[in-house]
Amino acid sequence: AQKVTQAQTEISVVEKEDVTLDCVYETRDTTYYLFWYKQPPSGELVFLIRRNSFDEQNEISGRYSWNFQKSTSSFNFTITASQVVDSAVYFCALSPSGAGSYQLTFGKGTKLSVIP
Amino acid sequence: GAVVSQHPSWVICKSGTSVKIECRSLDFQATTMFWYRQFPKQSLMLMATSNEGSKATYEQGVEKDKFLINHASLTLSTLTVTSAHPEDSSFYICSARRGSTQETQYFGPGTRLLVL
Repeated sequence: AQKVTQAQTEISVVEKEDVTLDCVYETRDTTYYLFWYKQPPSGELVFLIRRNSFDEQNEISGRYSWNFQKSTSSFNFTITASQVVDSAVYFCALSPSGAGSYQLTFGKGTKLSVIP
Repeated sequence: GAVVSQHPSWVICKSGTSVKIECRSLDFQATTMFWYRQFPKQSLMLMATSNEGSKATYEQGVEKDKFLINHASLTLSTLTVTSAHPEDSSFYICSARRGSTQETQYFGPGTRLLVL
């Protein structure tokens, strides 16, 4: 069985602060994919990143960075110099790899509020 | 890009009526589409997986006769909530997977259903 845990239900930060959203996962698969999605108040889920379990390199995209640590089954997401537009619910998700296995297991989400 | 649309975005209906929600992949062919349900302040729960030209696979606890899914083409899947009741009120989101090797799911903007 797969499980994704986002222990932080809600986080509030002041604009320009850095913030890290935690994600811990459980899976018996040897290969898998990890994802982060952003859900703004409008409701649409926006894809942010996909990471293959083979690739433990950290990734940076602008103000966003991701820290994948297979040893601790964590895939944390950091926003640097947060902005009000970053306010949203962020979901971490897990999917097994392999043909036909693309079902996503979502965490419960972390609501981020960036205060001006 | 990978754009997924949903129609309608909002629907209010009387108890007992049926409601059809369309999910379209606008700029790619989607071999697989997924239907999710999201209650307020909760995570996404997968309802069913829909493959083009075949019957949908429903998750445990989801009534297939209640939630009819049709995936008639590579760009269109429909979800029909039959004989809707107030407890069916929710946010329904579809996603589409591009091709047979693309692991990322792209989400539609969602449909808010309110059954009176």
